Amino acid sequence: GDSVTQMEGPVTLSEEAFLTINCTYTATGYPSLFWYVQYPGEGLQLLLKATKADDKGSNKGFEATYRKETTSFHLEKGSVQVSDSAVYFCALSSGGSNYKLTFGKGTLLTVNP
Amino acid sequence: EAGVAQSPRYKIIEKRQSVAFWCNPISGHATLYWYQQILGQGPKLLIQFQNNGVVDDSQLPKDRFSAERLKGVDSTLKIQPAKLEDSAVYLCASSLALMRGGTEAFFGQGTRLTVV
Repeated sequence: GDSVTQMEGPVTLSEEAFLTINCTYTATGYPSLFWYVQYPGEGLQLLLKATKADDKGSNKGFEATYRKETTSFHLEKGSVQVSDSAVYFCALSSGGSNYKLTFGKGTLLTVNP
Repeated sequence: EAGVAQSPRYKIIEKRQSVAFWCNPISGHATLYWYQQILGQGPKLLIQFQNNGVVDDSQLPKDRFSAERLKGVDSTLKIQPAKLEDSAVYLCASSLALMRGGTEAFFGQGTRLTVV
């Protein structure tokens, strides 16, 4: 079945540092890939998505590129801010699983001033 | 546009008691999902509705969990009887249709259940 593996947290960075959170997946067919973010006390929000190979999703300075050859969708940001502190979830949706979202375990990011 | 509404936000019950959660999806969204998020883990799908029909309930513990979606709009998730391991956040989400082509799912704030 479909599955998502993302790097274990927590990740602690200083403000303006470079961020990478690794995500790899296993899926039948050609999945759509997502990054969701959960800020403290809030619900899950879509951060960015990509629907086919080599697509780059981007939002709020975050980027991720759909790499079919390495089955990866790593999240990057060039300069993190304190306000980026949250839990980040990589997820996929594919026809092999009725197009439901399958999530990774989440990575807690803390950014210190 | 109003988001996905869930109630209650918090619930504490004793084991073997029953509990129900309510979800009102975004207007016009045909697909509704219930996820269980245990502390430190990613959300796990319990049940997926398309209008008022069940698309996927393969991970729903049917001996104690039940869910319905009346008239293809609101939904309730029930646990009876609850076990300690049911302590989790229960998330409701909705999308316009099945998530082909990257259709976005919108999540409610969740109900945090503690079973003591």
